[in-house]
Amino acid sequence: GENVEQHPSTLSVQEGDSAVIKCTYSDSASNYFPWYKQELGKRPQLIIDIRSNVGEKKDQRIAVTLNKTAKHFSLHITETQPEDSAVYFCAASSKNTGNQFYFGTGTSLTVIP
Amino acid sequence: DVKVTQSSRYLVKRTGEKVFLECVQDMDHENMFWYRQDPGLGLRLIYFSYDVKMKEKGDIPEGYSVSREKKERFSLILESASTNQTSMYLCASSHSSSGNTIYFGEGSWLTVV
Repeated sequence: GENVEQHPSTLSVQEGDSAVIKCTYSDSASNYFPWYKQELGKRPQLIIDIRSNVGEKKDQRIAVTLNKTAKHFSLHITETQPEDSAVYFCAASSKNTGNQFYFGTGTSLTVIP
Repeated sequence: DVKVTQSSRYLVKRTGEKVFLECVQDMDHENMFWYRQDPGLGLRLIYFSYDVKMKEKGDIPEGYSVSREKKERFSLILESASTNQTSMYLCASSHSSSGNTIYFGEGSWLTVV
C-alpha cells in the first residue's frame, strides 16, 4: 500500500516568517493530496489540496507544490501568525486503493509571537 | 456544510467492556472511515466502508470490528476494551469518486481503565 512520510515532526518559527512542511509518498498511482490543520482538541480540517495534474496551488498565505516525478509535495505558509499554530497532516489518496487516505504522522507548528 | 457527527465525545470504560462508537454523516457519502489518533503516530486507519454492509480492514483492525447497516451510519465496536485502546478515535466520510475530500467528525476520546 501507500506510505506517506512527513517532515519535520515539530517546527517553530517567528511570527512573520515562512514555514515549510514536506511529505513524500510511495505509490505513483496516488492522485490527490490534501493538507489538514488540526487545532488542539478539534477535528482535522482541510486547508488546501492538490491533484496530480497540477504542480502548484495557492490560497492567500498557503501554497502547496507537487513533484510527481520525485513523489513529494510540500505545504508553504508565508507571513505566519500565532493562529497558524496547530498540527498539520499531509495525505495521499488513490483510486487504486479504493480511495483510502494515507496520512503522514503530522507536524506540530508553533508560531512564536 | 458536511456534517460528520460522533455521538460520544468523552468516554471512560473498564477493561473487558464492550464499547460502541457511533458516527453519522449527512452528505450521502459512500465512503466512511474510522481512524485512531495517537501522539507521534498520526492517523492510523482501523476500518473503512465503501458501501452499506461492506467493510475493509485498515492498518490496525485487531481488537476492533465495525458495522454499516445504513449508508449514513458507521459504528466502531471494541468487543473487549483494553487499556492499549485508550486513544482518540476519528470518524470520517467522503464521496466514492477519486480525489474527493475526506471530512472528519469531532473525535471521541476513549479512556480504558
